[in-house]
Amino acid sequence: EAGVAQSPRYKIIEKRQSVAFWCNPISGHATLYWYQQILGQGPKLLIQFQNNGVVDDSQLPKDRFSAERLKGVDSTLKIQPAKLEDSAVYLCASSFIWQGDSPLHFGNGTRLTVT
Amino acid sequence: SQQGEEDPQALSIQEGENATMNCSYKTSINNLQWYRQNSGRGLVHLILIRSNEREKHSGRLRVTLDTSKKSSSLLITASRAADTASYFCATDPFSGGSYIPTFGRGTSLIVHP
Repeated sequence: EAGVAQSPRYKIIEKRQSVAFWCNPISGHATLYWYQQILGQGPKLLIQFQNNGVVDDSQLPKDRFSAERLKGVDSTLKIQPAKLEDSAVYLCASSFIWQGDSPLHFGNGTRLTVT
Repeated sequence: SQQGEEDPQALSIQEGENATMNCSYKTSINNLQWYRQNSGRGLVHLILIRSNEREKHSGRLRVTLDTSKKSSSLLITASRAADTASYFCATDPFSGGSYIPTFGRGTSLIVHP
């Protein structure tokens, strides 16, 4: 099966600019996640979708971050305006269904550098 | 906040040796999973252990779970240079009506050939 696709692979922007990331999950996976991974740390969940509904977005900085999952398939994560501390790898993952026993499948991430 | 915390943060061993890393967590769980992350790549699922299991094996991997101590360990036997990666545990605290997959900070493993 094809894996989780993410683009772009790398992005460099200046602070206060906007940026968008795209994710295409594994076909048939109902649950989609966006994680932020700062260098040297573990992934931090930003938002979790079940089909096209939001399950959890408690750690999403909603004043600058937004995410959507149209038609329950692809998803985009947007940052506007970006800050220096947003420099990180943004990982998208999907799972068949999240009940704690369904493995997450990750894409290779988008490395964002904010200067 | 981090649910799981891996220990040690970094581990350096020689090829052929065993590598053990530990994970401690705070709240009750249903399952615990271990993932590997190679540099510049996404995480890859290794093994899942359920809360009613105490030990599980997969190839050279052995995972234990002690729910009374809220801890798990991952043992990699006869390590290889290709095992060099970061290893993360993930738990599934139930929050707001759903299971939220939560990762620790990870253990960075270096296996010297």
